[in-house]
Amino acid sequence: QLQLQESGPGLVKPSETLSLTCTVSGGSISSSSYYWGWIRQPPGKGLEWIGSIYYSGSTYYNPSLKSRVTISVDTSKNQFSLKLSSVTAADTAVYYCARDNSNLVDYWGQGTLVTVSS
Amino acid sequence: EIVMTQSPATLSVSPGERATLSCRASQSVSSNLAWYQQKPGQAPRLLIYGASTRATGIPARFSGSGSGTEFTLTISSLQSEDFAVYYCQQYNNWPALTFGGGTKVEIK
Repeated sequence: QLQLQESGPGLVKPSETLSLTCTVSGGSISSSSYYWGWIRQPPGKGLEWIGSIYYSGSTYYNPSLKSRVTISVDTSKNQFSLKLSSVTAADTAVYYCARDNSNLVDYWGQGTLVTVSS
Repeated sequence: EIVMTQSPATLSVSPGERATLSCRASQSVSSNLAWYQQKPGQAPRLLIYGASTRATGIPARFSGSGSGTEFTLTISSLQSEDFAVYYCQQYNNWPALTFGGGTKVEIK
């Protein structure tokens, strides 16, 4: 059974960079069929797609966040990572890593709350 | 960006009754529309893709319909485990994938 697990700091200061890693188990991130992505959800609000990456390193990002987002992959560790720069309180959210199956999400991590506060 | 609008925001339904949720796109998304269910404290779960195809393991009481800009998710006979928030997502306008604001289905 495929499992995804987010890890990283739960508190980030304004203007700094948010960094999260997703570890995939029960399957290979190098599968040719899938991208691997990040989605976030501010407390009590809806979902926002951040972006996705293929095992080869090919990425696509939500245009509204593109200038601040970097997603990378480490196939040797079966992990992929998110960096979001210049964060503000508006970036406070639960961040989910996910398997992107043709632009749908069919597997999700449990989510991790990241709070932006000084 | 394609804006997805869900209605109603909250739907109060008695167990065993039918629930009908709507999702409207600001421009055509063809049939590239998915539905997700989210329970409190959990990640969303994929229910429907291609507007009308149930994902693996999803009960037949869940059905989706529509194309273009108007979509519907129907739960034919609500079970206790179906009370949750439901989101639609368009994946026609890649890479600007967008979700609706959600419909909360609560017990009447």
